[in-house]
Amino acid sequence: DVKVTQSSRYLVKRTGEKVFLECVQDMDHENMFWYRQDPGLGLRLIYFSYDVKMKEKGDIPEGYSVSREKKERFSLILESASTNQTSMYLCASRTDRGSGHTEAFFGQGTRLTVV
Amino acid sequence: LAKTTQPISMDSYEGQEVNITCSHNNIATNDYITWYQQFPSQGPRFIIQGYKTKVTNEVASLFIPADRKSSTLSLPRVSLSDTAVYYCLVLPRAGNNRKLIWGLGTSLAVNP
Repeated sequence: DVKVTQSSRYLVKRTGEKVFLECVQDMDHENMFWYRQDPGLGLRLIYFSYDVKMKEKGDIPEGYSVSREKKERFSLILESASTNQTSMYLCASRTDRGSGHTEAFFGQGTRLTVV
Repeated sequence: LAKTTQPISMDSYEGQEVNITCSHNNIATNDYITWYQQFPSQGPRFIIQGYKTKVTNEVASLFIPADRKSSTLSLPRVSLSDTAVYYCLVLPRAGNNRKLIWGLGTSLAVNP
């Protein structure tokens, strides 16, 4: 059974803290993504990575950074957490191999609250 | 990337067939039409994909007219557990687009 696993389901952090959200996939996928999802705004892409040590900004990268040292792991870093980063964070992975659209697999999500 | 337009919300009752239409007027020749389903507090999951005509699997059917400017996701005999948000995405073949940009989706409420 394919899996994308996020390190925490729920997280509460204080304003100004450095926060690490970890994501691991076991499908040997090249591409990994970090989204945040807020009511009325849908899924918004923060960053994605198409290879080890490679990354590209998504639509809302400000206040975030990412790290991909190994193919299976993609970390999202909030350098200094703020209350407007309270959200549901979703990690996904997807392969470039195959024909047609190759489906994206999502983790269970991390609900982060910054107080 | 082809822009998609779907209704924001729909209501239905158990046992009914639900059809959700997505318009994608500027779809390109290489684009595939893909639908995902998202339950509350979970990540989206793939339901079905098609290029033209009709595709059916154990979950849903996807109808695509000849001009491919729209598509309809059909859910037969919905149950309460089909209450979810349904997303329509139009994407080129794997490897040509990596970003996966999502719209707001259609929030389907199935009532008893």
